[in-house]
Amino acid sequence: GAGVSQSPSNKVTEKGKDVELRCDPISGHTALYWYRQSLGQGLEFLIYFQGNSAPDKSGLPSDRFSAERTGGSVSTLTIQRTQQEDSAVYLCASSRDGGKHFGDGTRLSIL
Amino acid sequence: AQSVAQPEDQVNVAEGNPLTVKCTYSVSGNPYLFWYVQYPNRGLQFLLKYITGDNLVKGSYGFEAEFNKSQTSFHLKKPSALVSDSALYFCAVRDGSDSWGKLQFGAGTQVVVTP
Repeated sequence: GAGVSQSPSNKVTEKGKDVELRCDPISGHTALYWYRQSLGQGLEFLIYFQGNSAPDKSGLPSDRFSAERTGGSVSTLTIQRTQQEDSAVYLCASSRDGGKHFGDGTRLSIL
Repeated sequence: AQSVAQPEDQVNVAEGNPLTVKCTYSVSGNPYLFWYVQYPNRGLQFLLKYITGDNLVKGSYGFEAEFNKSQTSFHLKKPSALVSDSALYFCAVRDGSDSWGKLQFGAGTQVVVTP
């Protein structure tokens, strides 16, 4: 069955470039979350979308980070002017009833 | 505010021996507690959760966890570890009053099971 799909699975880019990470949630899941897992650290909440409500952006670390969710389905996390400290695994999760299903993540490496 | 502490960066255990991964939490409302496992290059997989009811929760792959309200702990246990249990384990909590709330994760504990 289809789970949460994230693309690309790996992304290597130069410092200062913009990157876009994509998340396809499970069909019918109204909630979508982005988390970040940095090397040697735990999981850090970034942002979540719930239906048509305004997203909770309280976890975004800086204004270089933004996310949108089009049509209540696919979400894109954008990082502008990437820095080396942005290197991490970015995990997306979706939920219908509170239980979260995670994607395999995008491993982002900033050179 | 909510927080989770996993005091051990790594747990080493021989195959066949019992495995315990520790977790303590802090949350203002009722705690909803979760354990996730992450294998290399994979996303998180759900193991088990405590919402209400029995303090001993049984989950996937033979794992269980015991909710202890007085000690604010939710330690993960397995009676007999397998080499294939070697992975990164995350404990997470959210406030039960917020159905869609964000999870607060611990830093993770690397479990290494040796043959």
